Amino acid sequence: QQQVKQSPQSLIVQKGGISIINCAYENTAFDYFPWYQQFPGKGPALLIAIRPDVSEKKEGRFTISFNKSAKQFSLHIMDSQPGDSATYFCAASSRSNDYKLSFGAGTTVTVRA
Amino acid sequence: NAGVTQTPKFRVLKTGQSMTLLCAQDMNHEYMYWYRQDPGMGLRLIHYSVGEGTTAKGEVPDGYNVSRLKKQNFLLGLESAAPSQTSVYFCASYRVRGNTEAFFGQGTRLTVV
Repeated sequence: QQQVKQSPQSLIVQKGGISIINCAYENTAFDYFPWYQQFPGKGPALLIAIRPDVSEKKEGRFTISFNKSAKQFSLHIMDSQPGDSATYFCAASSRSNDYKLSFGAGTTVTVRA
Repeated sequence: NAGVTQTPKFRVLKTGQSMTLLCAQDMNHEYMYWYRQDPGMGLRLIHYSVGEGTTAKGEVPDGYNVSRLKKQNFLLGLESAAPSQTSVYFCASYRVRGNTEAFFGQGTRLTVV
């Protein structure tokens, strides 16, 4: 069973719109929550990451919102562009567990021009 | 500046054949991981290593073996391939000091017929 649950499985957004992807976890030992972006035929690449001592982190058009009490975190893509069309994975890890990443199932985002 | 290099990129095996996937990193990282990616399941950890000469089981280790004889190389072996091992395999090298980040290779697409 996956330790990190991700939704939706896919989404379509118009250019300039907002994409929102949600993730939930159970293991309170997790202390690092990254998001990875993957293009077809490529390996995942780190997009943005957050630690549980902050509730929000923004890098350009990408924002992570983190709710420690609800054990949920989400990725917001503002002003979505066709180049953002990719699969996005949330993940979680703990330094006390050899930094092993547990991944969500992934969300395929399609941005229509 | 190669980062993480996986060889081969594609391979077709017959059931029962064996093969070895090679992962090489040039970032002097201690931690290395092998994942498999299947549709709708995200990335699942097969085996990992926390340093030269060490290996440990991940979430889905059955049917695979690994070796880390040199710090820069992490080998994944399939002794007797099965159709259920048809997947895309990713190696990752992990920076744990400073800004934590996993660096992924380009992947190996393996088909077992």
